Amino acid sequence: KNEVEQSPQNLTAQEGEFITINCSYSVGISALHWLQQHPGGGIVSLFMLSSGKKKHGRLIATINIQEKHSSLHITASHPRDSAVYICAVYPPYQFYFGTGTSLTVIP
Amino acid sequence: GAGVSQSPSNKVTEKGKDVELRCDPISGHTALYWYRQSLGQGLEFLIYFQGNSAPDKSGLPSDRFSAERTGGSVSTLTIQRTQQEDSAVYLCASSYNEGEAFFGQGTRLTVV
Repeated sequence: KNEVEQSPQNLTAQEGEFITINCSYSVGISALHWLQQHPGGGIVSLFMLSSGKKKHGRLIATINIQEKHSSLHITASHPRDSAVYICAVYPPYQFYFGTGTSLTVIP
Repeated sequence: GAGVSQSPSNKVTEKGKDVELRCDPISGHTALYWYRQSLGQGLEFLIYFQGNSAPDKSGLPSDRFSAERTGGSVSTLTIQRTQQEDSAVYLCASSYNEGEAFFGQGTRLTVV
């Protein structure tokens, strides 16, 4: 059983569409990270959340601690958003990772 | 430093040889994490340091793997008698206590 489940696994969108990626987890956590990994590239931490909602540019992340669920939203998607998005939860002392959502935004 | 630095960026080694991977965390970050990502696979947690101590080493895949951290800063991950299944990208991240984690670019290890 995976401690972290992400959906969808793959997502193709047209440029400009609103995108939502979901993450559910089964362990108690002190924080949740949304990570971005471009093909052949390194990993960038987009957000760290412990409650509520955060916004950075066109990216919005929300978390509901009681429901053990987080969402990553991308507004007005762009081809440069194409990447793998990974949810990681911190119990603490280690991270549990989702398997990632591969996003392709078509011009 | 400006970010988490890992060296080497690429390493090709012969099966059976030992390798040492290095991670320089962001200055002042107390927590340091090692992960690996095998080809086509997700991220796998290996070990976590708070200061120089590793509370949980159970993520290390075998006793050929060891890690240490000295001075609350640089960490080395050592793989002895490398096997082909050890081929992966080894990633390091650091954070201040339990804050936001910053990732290095990784070391791509290929065992031939």
